[in-house]
Amino acid sequence: GAGVSQSPRYKVAKRGQDVALRCDPISGHVSLFWYQQALGQGPEFLTYFQNEAQLDKSGLPSDRFFAERPEGSVSTLKIQRTQQEDSAVYLCASSTHRGVSTEAFFGQGTRLTVV
Amino acid sequence: GNSVTQMEGPVTLSEEAFLTINCTYTATGYPSLFWYVQYPGEGLQLLLKATKADDKGSNKGFEATYRKETTSFHLEKGSVQVSDSAVYFCALGGRGFQKLVFGTGTRLLVSP
Repeated sequence: GAGVSQSPRYKVAKRGQDVALRCDPISGHVSLFWYQQALGQGPEFLTYFQNEAQLDKSGLPSDRFFAERPEGSVSTLKIQRTQQEDSAVYLCASSTHRGVSTEAFFGQGTRLTVV
Repeated sequence: GNSVTQMEGPVTLSEEAFLTINCTYTATGYPSLFWYVQYPGEGLQLLLKATKADDKGSNKGFEATYRKETTSFHLEKGSVQVSDSAVYFCALGGRGFQKLVFGTGTRLLVSP
C-alpha cells in the first residue's frame, strides 16, 4: 500500500482481555517501530524490528506486551490481560533505513480503550 | 539520557500571526532533529528536519534551525493559517540513534 496501515483503528477491551494490534508497513521497509502515545503525551518507544529480528524491546512496559514480525513484513503487537493503564494510541512506523531513526513513516494508530 | 522538552500548549493564535514553538534537547552524540505534525484524526507526519548544527529545515512555510550552542530547534512560521491547527512534536534521532525520542507535543489552535 501507499502508507503504513494499522488495524483496527479503534479497540475497546474489557480489563483482563487479550488484544492483538496489526501493522502493515510500507512495502520493502526494513525497519519497523512500535510506539505508545498516552493522552496528551508524545509517543514513547516500545520496540524495534529490523526485518524479522527484534533488536530492541527495551520500551515494552511489562511482560504482558509482546511483539512479533515473523516474515519481516507485517507486525503484531499483543497485549495480554489488558489493564486500564494500557489505554493509549499505539503507533506503528516503518523506515527504509537500518538502525537509523530518520524518515520514519507513521500509521494512523490504533486507539485502545480498556474498560 | 536523550530527551526533548517542548513548550506547553495550547498555543492560541489568530490567522496571519507569527508562530514560535520552543524545543530544546539533551542528547549524547550528534542527533538529527525533527518536527512532526499530527492533524486531527491523522497519523504523525514529518514536517521538517535538520541533520547537523546550523542546518535549517523548512517546509510549508515552517522553519527551524538546529542550534547546537543552545541545544534548540524552535519551530517558526511567519503567518499561520487555520489549517495549521494541529499538534506539533519535536523529536531527535538519526544516525547513531536507533529510535526517535519525542517531546510531549504542543497543540496549536488558529482562529479566523
